[in-house]
Amino acid sequence: QKEVEQNSGPLSVPEGAIASLNCTYSDRGSQSFFWYRQYSGKSPELIMFIYSNGDKEDGRFTAQLNKASQYVSLLIRDSQPSDSATYLCAVNMYSGGGADGLTFGKGTHLIIQP
Amino acid sequence: SQTIHQWPATLVQPVGSPLSLECTVEGTSNPNLYWYRQAAGRGLQLLFYSVGIGQISSEVPQNLSASRPQDRQFILSSKKLLLSDSGFYLCAWSVRGVETQYFGPGTRLLVL
Repeated sequence: QKEVEQNSGPLSVPEGAIASLNCTYSDRGSQSFFWYRQYSGKSPELIMFIYSNGDKEDGRFTAQLNKASQYVSLLIRDSQPSDSATYLCAVNMYSGGGADGLTFGKGTHLIIQP
Repeated sequence: SQTIHQWPATLVQPVGSPLSLECTVEGTSNPNLYWYRQAAGRGLQLLFYSVGIGQISSEVPQNLSASRPQDRQFILSSKKLLLSDSGFYLCAWSVRGVETQYFGPGTRLLVL
C-alpha cells in the first residue's frame, strides 16, 4: 500500500521568510517525486519534480530528496502572499516511463502573512 | 503548446442519475490519460488511467467507468450516481514515457 504523508497545517509563515514543507512516503521503491500547488477551488499545478537524492533548485523553490529516510521537502524562499495555497506532495513508484498514476498526500495548507 | 480541457465545469445531479464527464487534450499525441477524484477532506485519489485507445486500468472498485474512444479523449461515466460520488474530478495527462502529469481545470460534481 503506497502512502504519502503530509502535515495538513495550516503552516503560517511571514512574508519574506522561508517556508518549509515536508512529506514522507511509505514505498521504498518510489523513484519520482512531485510537488504541486493548488489554490482554493482550482486544479493542481506542477511546481517541481525530483528523481535523485539531494537538492534541486528552480527559482525560489528548492526540492530536497532523501531516499534513505523516505523524505522529500519543498523550500520556498522569499515567501510571497501569492504563495498561500495547499501544497501537494506526490509519488510515483516507477521512473522511466511508468504509466501508473501518482499517489498524493492530502496536502499542507500554507499561509503567507503580509 | 499542450492544453487540456474538461467539461462541464460544475454539475449538480440527483442520486441515481447517469454521469458523463469529458476530457480532451490538444497539442500532443499518444498521451497517458488519468482520472482523479478529490473529495472533501481527502487527498487526490487515482480512479483510472489509460495508455492508449480502448486501454483502461482501474485503481479503485466503484460504480464509475472510463472509456477512451479517441487518442486524446477520455470519458468518465456512471450509470447511477451515489451521494459518495460528489467531489472534484480531475483529468490529467502525461507524455508517454514521462511521469510528470498535468491537470485539467476539473469538474466539480455535487450529487444530491
